[in-house]
Amino acid sequence: GQNIDQPTEMTATEGAIVQINCTYQTSGFNGLFWYQQHAGEAPTFLSYNVLDGLEEKGRFSSFLSRSKGYSYLLLKELQMKDSASYLCAVRAEDSNYQLIWGAGTKLIIKP
Amino acid sequence: DAGVIQSPRHEVTEMGQEVTLRCKPISGHNSLFWYRQTMMRGLELLIYFNNNVPIDDSGMPEDRFSAKMPNASFSTLKIQPSEPRDSAVYFCASSFRTDPYSNQPQHFGDGTRLSIL
Repeated sequence: GQNIDQPTEMTATEGAIVQINCTYQTSGFNGLFWYQQHAGEAPTFLSYNVLDGLEEKGRFSSFLSRSKGYSYLLLKELQMKDSASYLCAVRAEDSNYQLIWGAGTKLIIKP
Repeated sequence: DAGVIQSPRHEVTEMGQEVTLRCKPISGHNSLFWYRQTMMRGLELLIYFNNNVPIDDSGMPEDRFSAKMPNASFSTLKIQPSEPRDSAVYFCASSFRTDPYSNQPQHFGDGTRLSIL
């Protein structure tokens, strides 16, 4: 069956680096998305990976290993505004190529 | 550019009443999605449309839920009759296309916070 796992909550310090992991079990993998969702707001797109490796976008980077069913989102130079939930979503054949969403990781940034 | 527009932003109604949620996708997008988000179940896909045609409604909880997309710029999600367990945030999202090879992200509206008393 389909399954996506993320840690429920993480805490990090302003200015530091944090890595949020996502593991998935699906059939026919065809892309992984990361979204950011501030409390009470809509999810907003951060990154997309379909090939193995690292995709960098400013302070945020996302990594994918298809053989391990594993991705991470790396946030550098953390700012207070990065406090949010981070959702991992996978597109796979066994979901008819629609996104399967993880429960999200709530990231708390402390001064 | 205007994003996905949903209305109303908040809805509080009594059990048994009909609820209609509305969505205007981003102009030019031809895929539209309705999601429900709760603390217990996270983000769940209810139904999606390609070019105004419903493709997969397997996520619709039961017959009380229905969705329409009469044209490329408007969609509704209706609950009749509503029940307290329908209380959730309902999001509409749109994208350029949805297919196995698309890297197009979905863009979400601000959501409708629905409370059924």
